[in-house]
Amino acid sequence: SQTIHQWPATLVQPVGSPLSLECTVEGTSNPNLYWYRQAAGRGLQLLFYSVGIGQISSEVPQNLSASRPQDRQFILSSKKLLLSDSGFYLCAWSVRGLWQPQHFGDGTRLSIL
Amino acid sequence: SQELEQSPQSLIVQEGKNLTINCTSSKTLYGLYWYKQKYGEGLIFLMMLQKGGEEKSHEKITAKLDEKKQQSSLHITASQPSHAGIYLCGADSSSSGAGSYQLTFGKGTKLSVIP
Repeated sequence: SQTIHQWPATLVQPVGSPLSLECTVEGTSNPNLYWYRQAAGRGLQLLFYSVGIGQISSEVPQNLSASRPQDRQFILSSKKLLLSDSGFYLCAWSVRGLWQPQHFGDGTRLSIL
Repeated sequence: SQELEQSPQSLIVQEGKNLTINCTSSKTLYGLYWYKQKYGEGLIFLMMLQKGGEEKSHEKITAKLDEKKQQSSLHITASQPSHAGIYLCGADSSSSGAGSYQLTFGKGTKLSVIP
């Protein structure tokens, strides 16, 4: 069966520090991969999605970037964190193709001080 | 852009009672996903609806898609404490019905079940 791993589960970072969140999927090949942010009162917002290695689509202009160095690895990064980057970050995967449900990881709670 | 409004925002029910959560779209619904989330955790996929009038059930949870009303409803029969959590609807963001990788989500309905 397929599993998705996200780490770390919680992270406290100072403003201006870099960020790297990692997500890996097991048990499937060529998945679509997604990064979401869930902020209080704002719902779930799609940040990036990827349909293949090195292929990243950005949905929201921001202080963040994503990379997919391997088929089942998705990384969310920032060079300098802002206070507004605080939130709950979720990685998800789906079978490649349209009309496929997305399956989520357990999330990373990011607090910026 | 498409917006999804969920109602009610929160719901407290006695164990054993039935309940309904609604998800209304500002545009035509071509694909609708229901998820459940426990606080501080990831989303668990419940079911996906694609066709108008389509109805799906999983254990005591039934979801239906009404394309004409641009609405989907989630009904829980004989609620249990295990049903407590936040229910979110997500919809395909494409405007043509051709499908896309982008989903728009509602803000969620928080369900509490009192034993």
